[in-house]
Amino acid sequence: DARVTQTPRHKVTEMGQEVTMRCQPILGHNTVFWYRQTMMQGLELLAYFRNRAPLDDSGMPKDRFSAEMPDATLATLKIQPSEPRDSAVYFCASGLTSAGGEQFFGPGTRLTVL
Amino acid sequence: KNQVEQSPQSLIILEGKNCTLQCNYTVSPFSNLRWYKQDTGRGPVSLTIMTFSENTKSNGRYTATLDADTKQSSLHITASQLSDSASYICVVMGGGYNKLIFGAGTRLAVHP
Repeated sequence: DARVTQTPRHKVTEMGQEVTMRCQPILGHNTVFWYRQTMMQGLELLAYFRNRAPLDDSGMPKDRFSAEMPDATLATLKIQPSEPRDSAVYFCASGLTSAGGEQFFGPGTRLTVL
Repeated sequence: KNQVEQSPQSLIILEGKNCTLQCNYTVSPFSNLRWYKQDTGRGPVSLTIMTFSENTKSNGRYTATLDADTKQSSLHITASQLSDSASYICVVMGGGYNKLIFGAGTRLAVHP
């Protein structure tokens, strides 16, 4: 049963701490997306990768957020230092193409920054 | 400005009834339009993807329509079930660089 997995599912941390979220895309998918969802803003695209190379991270606050794909089976999203306004659900999705292809979402990481 | 607007914001219907959700967009250039279903506490799941040349696509009891001239789409749910209770998100790919532009979603509650 191929699916995108994300860890942790829930994270509570204090302001100023580093947060790392991990995503394992579906095996064979060459595109990975990071999204953030809040009640106020809805779903926002933060970054996406194709064949492990970052194609677009214009939606991401660069001063504190960073996204990487150390290998084809792992994508990471880091926030350092975290702030209360970063509290949201962070979704990872994977797909086979970056344009027009279907995206399969993971279950999300619910982040609360106190 | 590239925007996707959905209506209504929320909807309550009785089990077995039909309903239609609306999506208007001002995204240009247009690549495709997607409808996603998101259950509470879960990631979105794709229902349909439609390109410029497609004006209707079905997925079981879900039927999406697209009018590229008026830039409107609808999602029709037939014979609703309790499990249809979820948020339905309209997403348009386009606006240059094939960005995804999300609507705010319609929250549907199906009551017995």
